[in-house]
Amino acid sequence: AQSVTQLGSHVSVSEGALVLLRCNYSSSVPPYLFWYVQYPNQGLQLLLKYTTGATLVKGINGFEAEFKKSETSFHLTKPSAHMSDAAEYFCAVGETGFQKLVFGTGTRLLVSP
Amino acid sequence: EAGVTQFPSHSVIEKGQTVTLRCDPISGHDNLYWYRRVMGKEIKFLLHFVKESKQDESGMPNNRFLAERTGGTYSTLKVQPAELEDSGVYFCASSPRARGWTGELFFGEGSRLTVL
Repeated sequence: AQSVTQLGSHVSVSEGALVLLRCNYSSSVPPYLFWYVQYPNQGLQLLLKYTTGATLVKGINGFEAEFKKSETSFHLTKPSAHMSDAAEYFCAVGETGFQKLVFGTGTRLLVSP
Repeated sequence: EAGVTQFPSHSVIEKGQTVTLRCDPISGHDNLYWYRRVMGKEIKFLLHFVKESKQDESGMPNNRFLAERTGGTYSTLKVQPAELEDSGVYFCASSPRARGWTGELFFGEGSRLTVL
């Protein structure tokens, strides 16, 4: 069965600092990998995804993630945090045959001035 | 274009009562999904509709949960009778029917259910 592990339920950074949110997955087949973000009082929205091809994926708002098969990881990064990045971030894995996502427990990003 | 809308945004009921959650997907989206997040844990898949047909209901917890999608448009999720462990946030998501699954779902804001 697929599973996703997100290290750290809360991550705090200062504005302008590097953001690193960790995600490890387990999957018996080549995975599709996703990061979703939920801003306060909004639904989840897709930040970026990896399906095939280039392992470094760029998403919205300056975020990017790198698929590392050998480490079964898909960590999310942003070089410089902005106050507006404060939100909850969810890593997810999916299989095409089943059309459903398996999510991690989420990481809440706190950004201080 | 309107996004996925869910109603109610928050419901508080007593154990043993019935609650019905509603989801209106984005117009034209054939795929409709229900997910649930309990007490800060992971968001878990409940079921998937393609139009009015249940494609996958492997995540439904038990027979106290009943999901329907009338005419392939809006969907309802009924919990009857509700138990304490049903408390959580119920998310609805939709996506267009495309060739090949992309995994990009459009989520509503969720319906928070509190069972006392």
